[in-house]
Amino acid sequence: TQLLEQSPQFLSIQEGENLTVYCNSSSVFSSLQWYRQEPGEGPVLLVTVVTGGEVKKLKRLTFQFGDARKDSSLHITAAQPGDTGLYLCAVSNAGNNRKLIWGLGTSLAVNP
Amino acid sequence: DAGVIQSPRHEVTEMGQEVTLRCKPISGHNSLFWYRQTMMRGLELLIYFNNNVPIDDSGMPEDRFSAKMPNASFSTLKIQPSEPRDSAVYFCASSRGQGSNTEAFFGQGTRLTVV
Repeated sequence: TQLLEQSPQFLSIQEGENLTVYCNSSSVFSSLQWYRQEPGEGPVLLVTVVTGGEVKKLKRLTFQFGDARKDSSLHITAAQPGDTGLYLCAVSNAGNNRKLIWGLGTSLAVNP
Repeated sequence: DAGVIQSPRHEVTEMGQEVTLRCKPISGHNSLFWYRQTMMRGLELLIYFNNNVPIDDSGMPEDRFSAKMPNASFSTLKIQPSEPRDSAVYFCASSRGQGSNTEAFFGQGTRLTVV
């Protein structure tokens, strides 16, 4: 059983469409990070959220941390082929030093 | 900066052989992490070092795995003897500063295949 559940597992859309992917857990976390991983590369950090209810925007990407700090969503507006990749969420507990726990990711394909 | 550098990019070896993966972290970063990624289990932290000292190795699967960081600019992950179930992509990452919110910078990974 995964501590973090990411959904959907796979998503294939056309350029210009909007989408939302989710990262859910039954546990409370001190912070949550979203990463994007392209084929043949390592994950790259997109954002860190730490406050319940927090919303952060990165160009066409909007990240939200749930009020109870158990879940998060990533919304992409007008998706582009360059958004294609594996979107990973990772969480940590304040008392667990540097250890991150990772979801399995959402694999997104944006078709031109 | 060249980023985190891992070698080799690909490794194919026979079961029972020793495998050594190498990592050069970003200069000035004081934390180094070794991860393993598979489709079934995703990213798993194997071990991490802070200031060259191993802090948490609870993710190391078994005694066949060992990691060293002899200095701030180099680390190795060794598997001896290797088994087919060790096949995965192994990532090294580094970061600067304390706290779990600190950004981790990943290398391009080593794809290991044990046949």
